Amino acid sequence: RKEVEQDPGPFNVPEGATVAFNCTYSNSASQSFFWYRQDCRKEPKLLMSVYSSGNEDGRFTAQLNRASQYISLLIRDSKLSDSATYLCVVKEGRRALTFGSGTRLQVQP
Amino acid sequence: GAGVSQSPSNKVTEKGKDVELRCDPISGHTALYWYRQSLGQGLEFLIYFQGNSAPDKSGLPSDRFSAERTGGSVSTLTIQRTQQEDSAVYLCASSQLAGADTQYFGPGTRLTVL
Repeated sequence: RKEVEQDPGPFNVPEGATVAFNCTYSNSASQSFFWYRQDCRKEPKLLMSVYSSGNEDGRFTAQLNRASQYISLLIRDSKLSDSATYLCVVKEGRRALTFGSGTRLQVQP
Repeated sequence: GAGVSQSPSNKVTEKGKDVELRCDPISGHTALYWYRQSLGQGLEFLIYFQGNSAPDKSGLPSDRFSAERTGGSVSTLTIQRTQQEDSAVYLCASSQLAGADTQYFGPGTRLTVL
């Protein structure tokens, strides 16, 4: 079983739609949680950290459920430029990041 | 300022040859990480250098893989006797502090083993 599981998609949505991605992680000792974005043939870039209380950054909202070991990302009012692969990432202490395989989003005009 | 740089950007080699991949982290960053990403897969941790401490080599897939970090800055990942399954994008990242949450990635080296 992978440490971080994500639905690979693709999620094909029209511009302006709201879309949600979920991921689950198996390491209960995980302490830090993130969503990274990776454009085709590019390196991953940090989109946002995920906090227990939930957090929002513009059109993006992230939620964490430690009891269920579940992380979510909600994107409102999707833009064409949101098309990318979204990587769910967890970290335990000072260890390196553990990445999910990513969920691909394609926003269509 | 300059970000993480990696060279070469692309490397094609024949099975059985050795390859060296280079990473220049952001100046002043004490932690350096190597990951690899196979086609359609997530990133797989390889090795982690944290300041002057012994590196965390727990992700290296075999003893054909090794890495060095000289002078706390530049790092070289070496793959000996390459195999076709080594074909992947090798990504380097650095962070300001060991264990810091935010890692900055380089553009990667795309390795193809024929």
